[in-house]
Amino acid sequence: DVKVTQSSRYLVKRTGEKVFLECVQDMDHENMFWYRQDPGLGLRLIYFSYDVKMKEKGDIPEGYSVSREKKERFSLILESASTNQTSMYLCASSTSGTGYNSPLHFGNGTRLTVT
Amino acid sequence: RKEVEQDPGPFNVPEGATVAFNCTYSNSASQSFFWYRQDCRKEPKLLMSVYSSGNEDGRFTAQLNRASQYISLLIRDSKLSDSATYLCVVPYSGGYQKVTFGTGTKLQVIP
Repeated sequence: DVKVTQSSRYLVKRTGEKVFLECVQDMDHENMFWYRQDPGLGLRLIYFSYDVKMKEKGDIPEGYSVSREKKERFSLILESASTNQTSMYLCASSTSGTGYNSPLHFGNGTRLTVT
Repeated sequence: RKEVEQDPGPFNVPEGATVAFNCTYSNSASQSFFWYRQDCRKEPKLLMSVYSSGNEDGRFTAQLNRASQYISLLIRDSKLSDSATYLCVVPYSGGYQKVTFGTGTKLQVIP
């Protein structure tokens, strides 16, 4: 079974703090993703990585950056947290090997509150 | 047209009923589709993959209609434990291996 592990289940941070969200997957997947999920808006893609040190902006990258130094780890960074970044953050991974889009496997999420 | 659209519901159905959800998509080149289930305050979990005309897994059947560009999910003999939000997922028209999630259809199975 694919395991995607997010470092924190709940986080509370203050406005202006730098925040790191960590994600590790154990299935040697090439692709990793960061989404946020808000009521009524569904899942929105923040950033995507298809290889080590490669990253691509998603639909809402503003205020975020990412790092992928190792294949199994994908970090999301909030450079200066703001209250509108209060959300559920979901990390996911998938393989590139099938020729079709492969399903995403999610971590159990980090609920971030910025006060 | 949005990349993917779902009726948000809620669909309130009695135990044992059959219920179906549709999901329309705009990218006619899409080859693979997914249905995910999401319980309240939990992560989405893969329910079914759809790579050709359809797929069946026990009480769940997914159908793909390429001509009309929609996929459907049919749940037979609904159980209380089926209560969840069901997310439709289609390939992203703008990039490799990315997907777009629908906002989900909420199902409530009533005793």
